[in-house]
Amino acid sequence: DGGITQSPKYLFRKEGQNVTLSCEQNLNHDAMYWYRQDPGQGLRLIYYSQIVNDFQKGDIAEGYSVSREKKESFPLTVTSAQKNPTAFYLCASSIQDSEETQYFGPGTRLLVL
Amino acid sequence: GEDVEQSLFLSVREGDSSVINCTYTDSSSTYLYWYKQEPGAGLQLLTYIFSNMDMKQDQRLTVLLNKKDKHLSLRIADTQTGDSAIYFCAERAGGSYIPTFGRGTSLIVHP
Repeated sequence: DGGITQSPKYLFRKEGQNVTLSCEQNLNHDAMYWYRQDPGQGLRLIYYSQIVNDFQKGDIAEGYSVSREKKESFPLTVTSAQKNPTAFYLCASSIQDSEETQYFGPGTRLLVL
Repeated sequence: GEDVEQSLFLSVREGDSSVINCTYTDSSSTYLYWYKQEPGAGLQLLTYIFSNMDMKQDQRLTVLLNKKDKHLSLRIADTQTGDSAIYFCAERAGGSYIPTFGRGTSLIVHP
């Protein structure tokens, strides 16, 4: 059963704390992406990776970090430098062919205590 | 830079057709996508159209593309309450792997 999984579904962060959101895919996709979704603002790209051990900043990378040690996994860390982290975080992957269709995970909602 | 615009809300009666509109600015757009997002969930790809096509139909969904006006629409025939969701338009320019998303249109279907 192929797909993209994200965990946890809900995550709570305390002031000054780093938290890590998990994203795993078994679709054998080369590229993976992290988006942030705020109400009424659509999706904004945080980071993306087109190949293992390589990743690029998106439009709003400040306060976030990622790693891509395995093809299947692309974890996102929300650092204490991100002052407004409350949002819905979506991970996506794609095969990088001409159609470049992105497939999305179910999302993680991050809340600040 | 690229920009994708959608109206924020659309309300329709159950059984009617819904038409969700989208405009984009990048004339080099190659693929245009429609995604559906139900509450608290991720985005689900509904359909996409290549820029050399004018229309694509898939069961109750019809996509129309006016490349001259950079206008994309999604028509849902016989709209049901289960179609209530946010619909995102996205475009991807040739040579780029990163799509640009609109802000989404909330479709509300009432009896």
